[in-house]
Amino acid sequence: RKEVEQDPGPFNVPEGATVAFNCTYSNSASQSFFWYRQDCRKEPKLLMSVYSSGNEDGRFTAQLNRASQYISLLIRDSKLSDSATYLCVVNIRSGNQFYFGTGTSLTVIP
Amino acid sequence: ETGVTQSPTHLIKTRGQQVTLRCSSQSGHNTVSWYQQALGQGPQFIFQYYREEENGRGNFPPRFSGLQFPNYSSELNVNALELDDSALYLCASSWVGNTEAFFGQGTRLTVV
Repeated sequence: RKEVEQDPGPFNVPEGATVAFNCTYSNSASQSFFWYRQDCRKEPKLLMSVYSSGNEDGRFTAQLNRASQYISLLIRDSKLSDSATYLCVVNIRSGNQFYFGTGTSLTVIP
Repeated sequence: ETGVTQSPTHLIKTRGQQVTLRCSSQSGHNTVSWYQQALGQGPQFIFQYYREEENGRGNFPPRFSGLQFPNYSSELNVNALELDDSALYLCASSWVGNTEAFFGQGTRLTVV
């Protein structure tokens, strides 16, 4: 079983739409959680950390449910520049020992 | 720019050869991890180095090995290259205890 399972996608949405990504993780001892964004042929870049209390950064909202071992990302008012692959990431131990989902591709259409 | 640099950016090797990839950590970061990203997949954790010692390893065979130097830069060595080793290799640096990590731009390895 994979450490992190993510929506397969791809998601093709019109500008202005709201889109939600979900993922689940298998290790209940996981310590920290993130969403990374990866543009084509580029390195992953941190989009936001995910906390149990939920956190929001502009149009992006992330949520963690430890009981269900479930992580979500909501993007409101999608922009063309949001087109990318979104990676769900779980850190099992201290330091950066990340386990990534396969990524979900988002294309925002004019 | 993250301050994490990798070299080379692209590399072509023949099956059976050995390869060394290099990573220079962001200033002040003492932990470095290496990841392999195959086409269409998320990055897979190879191993992490802290204080010049391996400090965690993913599901990769021993022919994947590494080093971390006193200046926190790092190398990834892969022996007996196989076609399936073709991938983007990413290194990420962070400060121990701080889970935010910064990735280099990656080395794209092609094994023919």
